[in-house]
Amino acid sequence: DVKVTQSSRYLVKRTGEKVFLECVQDMDHENMFWYRQDPGLGLRLIYFSYDVKMKEKGDIPEGYSVSREKKERFSLILESASTNQTSMYLCASSQGRVRLSGANVLTFGAGSRLTVL
Amino acid sequence: ILNVEQSPQSLHVQEGDSTNFTCSFPSSNFYALHWYRWETAKSPEALFVMTLNGDEKKKGRISATLNTKEGYSYLYIKGSQPEDSATYLCAFSGYSTLTFGKGTMLLVSP
Repeated sequence: DVKVTQSSRYLVKRTGEKVFLECVQDMDHENMFWYRQDPGLGLRLIYFSYDVKMKEKGDIPEGYSVSREKKERFSLILESASTNQTSMYLCASSQGRVRLSGANVLTFGAGSRLTVL
Repeated sequence: ILNVEQSPQSLHVQEGDSTNFTCSFPSSNFYALHWYRWETAKSPEALFVMTLNGDEKKKGRISATLNTKEGYSYLYIKGSQPEDSATYLCAFSGYSTLTFGKGTMLLVSP
């Protein structure tokens, strides 16, 4: 019954390492999102994609990049991890052929808790 | 960045109590308001999506109302149960992406 799968539940990395967070959805959704959750700050949008090879910056894209080579897979990349990127990362997807629709429900993955030492 | 406020930040009630939370959002350029429930160690799951002023939605003991003119939504839980313990998130959409509030953490004690 799993619909949005995040590859790693817990990761520990060192400062300066390149980090890949993978997300796969099996619902044939057009739109995919990466959020981070920090105490007291709520969910903040990092990047999103509304089609294969398309990406758009969210509210906090600095220090991150993304890749969407296939419809079902959306990867978040930390080119050089820093301690301030220690966080819970959530992937989500939604349907919507017309670019994005704010009324479409998000389906979330279980989250990846990243610690950067 | 849009401002979406949720109150209270946290709430501790006894089993059987009814409770409600508030989500405040910009009243201009409104498109949709979402509510999600996020239980510990699980994925956030959608409760409601509302798009029309005056919308009321209900799912079991949980219901929500929407006032787009004044920019607020209420979430009600009737007869809280321990399994209702979770963080409740609201999210505002002005057409495309969602802006989330910080959430209300609910703890229901038996």
